[in-house]
Amino acid sequence: EDKVVQSPLSLVVHEGDTVTLNCSYEVTNFRSLLWYKQEKKAPTFLFMLTSSGIEKKSGRLSSILDKKELFSILNITATQTGDSAVYLCAVEVGTASKLTFGTGTRLQVTL
Amino acid sequence: DGGITQSPKYLFRKEGQNVTLSCEQNLNHDAMYWYRQDPGQGLRLIYYSQIVNDFQKGDIAEGYSVSREKKESFPLTVTSAQKNPTAFYLCASSRGPSYEQYFGPGTRLTVT
Repeated sequence: EDKVVQSPLSLVVHEGDTVTLNCSYEVTNFRSLLWYKQEKKAPTFLFMLTSSGIEKKSGRLSSILDKKELFSILNITATQTGDSAVYLCAVEVGTASKLTFGTGTRLQVTL
Repeated sequence: DGGITQSPKYLFRKEGQNVTLSCEQNLNHDAMYWYRQDPGQGLRLIYYSQIVNDFQKGDIAEGYSVSREKKESFPLTVTSAQKNPTAFYLCASSRGPSYEQYFGPGTRLTVT
């Protein structure tokens, strides 16, 4: 059975801190790993990673994939209150673009 | 504006009634998906469709049905056979394999 595990489950940090969110996976027929941010309703897409060791970056957010050790991290530097959300990791498996999601990491950024 | 719309936002039904959730996209995406999200849990795949007139069961298809008669539309029916239908339902679409999925705003269904 395909499995995606995220840690920590929740995290409270102060504005300006740097955070690292973890995602490990055990799946058959790995295709890609995706990160989403979910604030209230619809998850919004952050990154898609397919190759090991290549960092994807967007502003203060960055992510990297390790296909040998089967994990990914999402880094957020200089956190802001607007970063408060649930961050979801998903792994795409097979040829039908099916996503298996982790349970998410709830991040709260306080002043 | 291109995007995915889901309606209604909130839906209340009595136990034993079937209910249909709407999902429409104007992104010209071939693939569409239905997920269910319960508190404290990740999204779980109910059904998906890679092309018009074709769809496959996901991980938790029991008690649900779908149709894909048009590229833009992928309605989900929650039947009375679904034992625990109260949940947040999300529809998504993508160009296909190895493309990111885009999500609609979701429908919160409450069955009492």
